Amino acid sequence: QVQLQESGPGLVKPSETLSLTCTVSGGSVSSSSYYWGWIRQPPGKGLEWVGSMYYSGTTYYNPSLKSRVTVSADTSKNQFSLKLSSVTAADTAVYYCARERDLEWEYGMDVWGQGTTVTVSS
Amino acid sequence: AIQMTQSPSSLSASVGDRVTITCRASQGIRNDLGWYQQKPGKAPNLLIYAASSLQSGVPSRFSGSGSGTDFTLTISSLQPEDFATYYCLQDYNYPRTFGQGTKVEIK
Repeated sequence: QVQLQESGPGLVKPSETLSLTCTVSGGSVSSSSYYWGWIRQPPGKGLEWVGSMYYSGTTYYNPSLKSRVTVSADTSKNQFSLKLSSVTAADTAVYYCARERDLEWEYGMDVWGQGTTVTVSS
Repeated sequence: AIQMTQSPSSLSASVGDRVTITCRASQGIRNDLGWYQQKPGKAPNLLIYAASSLQSGVPSRFSGSGSGTDFTLTISSLQPEDFATYYCLQDYNYPRTFGQGTKVEIK
């Protein structure tokens, strides 16, 4: 079955760029039936959608982050990535990658990575 | 952006109780809504999609209903493993938006 695994630095300095990668196994990031996205959760708080991409390269971003966020894919490695620039302490969170179905009669984020904690601190 | 308002923010219930959580959208979203369960330290898990369709592998005590702006997640008989936080998520359009969550605790 499809599995997702996040990777990247656990500590990022303020004003720098947060970079995370999600490796897809058991499926293809190039599939036309799915969106691939990032969701984050600050400590003790709820879930916040960050951004998603479609296999065609179309991307969607949270307006509150839009000027700082980029989601892209490396199809040769079957990975997709998140870059968030000019980070502050408010970007400290657990970051999840997830697959969102775009199938006939089936929708929703059905596969998630286990999450990776990113702390923004000097 | 569509705002999703969940209620209650928390509730206490006993094993065997029937539990209902509601989610209201700030505009009509057809039936483009999912429900997710999250346990501490774990990733969310999809329970219901398209407002009322049960995700494969999810126990039948979970059910969803609603369309337009008002939605409900019901647990017919609460089990010990159901104590968790539940979120709704609209997938009608972008940006995707979550409800603020409902924490279900043991009474």
